[in-house]
Amino acid sequence: DQQVKQNSPSLSVQEGRISILNCDYTNSMFDYFLWYKKYPAEGPTFLISISSIKDKNEDGRFTVFLNKSAKHLSLHIVPSQPGDSAVYFCAASKASGGSNYKLTFGKGTLLTVNP
Amino acid sequence: KAGVTQTPRYLIKTRGQQVTLSCSPISGHRSVSWYQQTPGQGLQFLFEYFSETQRNKGNFPGRFSGRQFSNSRSEMNVSTLELGDSALYLCASSSTGTGGIGYTFGSGTRLTVV
Repeated sequence: DQQVKQNSPSLSVQEGRISILNCDYTNSMFDYFLWYKKYPAEGPTFLISISSIKDKNEDGRFTVFLNKSAKHLSLHIVPSQPGDSAVYFCAASKASGGSNYKLTFGKGTLLTVNP
Repeated sequence: KAGVTQTPRYLIKTRGQQVTLSCSPISGHRSVSWYQQTPGQGLQFLFEYFSETQRNKGNFPGRFSGRQFSNSRSEMNVSTLELGDSALYLCASSSTGTGGIGYTFGSGTRLTVV
């Protein structure tokens, strides 16, 4: 049972345009969501996160939107740059309550930004 | 400050053998988590340790085990290796281990089972 889904295995965009990566979840207990960027043979690097009490969080070119009723989040990258080309993972956790110590990841979306 | 260090970076083992992977967390971090990344399954949670105690375990067979030492360094062991154990094994350290907050990942150990 895949609780976090990234339905697009890949996405290709032109440099300077917007990249939108999507993620859906099924477990309503999740209250903290993260996006990671990963290059081959490296560990994931944290990009941005959002708590379930918010619906938007912004950090420079990266914005994450959360729609709790739809159990959907998205990562917007504006403007996209060739250096953004990597695999992006969506992850979720139950951060409150102090008894859950794991992340549940989606399978990732390969973003390619073409010059 | 130094990041999360995983050793070795690459490993080739034969089916049936066992393997031990090591993870040194960021100084001051007491939580270490382990994840397996495979092309078909993405990143899957193995286990999490805090102050030498395993607090959470993923859905992996008993062949996968781990431990944490008093200096917070952690090891994971896989016994009786199978071809399907070929993967990138990642560890992450954090102060509290709570829900991904403040996690820093290492570069991983690439295990190939032949």
